[in-house]
Amino acid sequence: EPEVTQTPSHQVTQMGQEVILRCVPISNHLYFYWYRQILGQKVEFLVSFYNNEISEKSEIFDDQFSVERPDGSNFTLKIRSTKLEDSAMYFCASVTGYNEQFFGPGTRLTVL
Amino acid sequence: GIQVEQSPPDLILQEGANSTLRCNFSDSVNNLQWFHQNPWGQLINLFYIPSGTKQNGRLSATTVATERYSLLYISSSQTTDSGVYFCAVRSYQLTFGKGTKLSVIP
Repeated sequence: EPEVTQTPSHQVTQMGQEVILRCVPISNHLYFYWYRQILGQKVEFLVSFYNNEISEKSEIFDDQFSVERPDGSNFTLKIRSTKLEDSAMYFCASVTGYNEQFFGPGTRLTVL
Repeated sequence: GIQVEQSPPDLILQEGANSTLRCNFSDSVNNLQWFHQNPWGQLINLFYIPSGTKQNGRLSATTVATERYSLLYISSSQTTDSGVYFCAVRSYQLTFGKGTKLSVIP
């Protein structure tokens, strides 16, 4: 059964460093998402991506964040200059349309 | 934006007991999903249920879209059912509730 994959599973970085989180969505899906979950809190929407451009973004998704689909399979989230409060679990999801979203296993980002 | 409220926030059950988790939402939606977050933090899809009733083993879910709520039933609970259960609804992006933390004790 096809699934969404994410790498790395855990990333530790120093404050101010750039990080890139990677996702491989399900191959025939058209819409891609990033979500964030700070420890002990609910999952929050960051950004949606369709047809090689951002379709919607939340207030959390400021200028420090960017997304890219560099090739036909990968979908990346970049944080330019990490802050302590960026420590969270980051989930990628994909979907064919207004249907069930399939989530990856997440990347746990720790900013020291 | 749309509001999603889950109840109860915490639930402790004896193994073998049944439970009902509730999700209320404030506006019309075109998607509703239930997830189980396991101890490793992974979100496991339980149900995609914008309306109607579905069953999968000991779990079942019902969504009454016209009344803006969904229920997740867990029967004969097991210790492996422990974790946080999230309801998420979609009008545009997926909006999650705060979850119900379930603890099943032997």
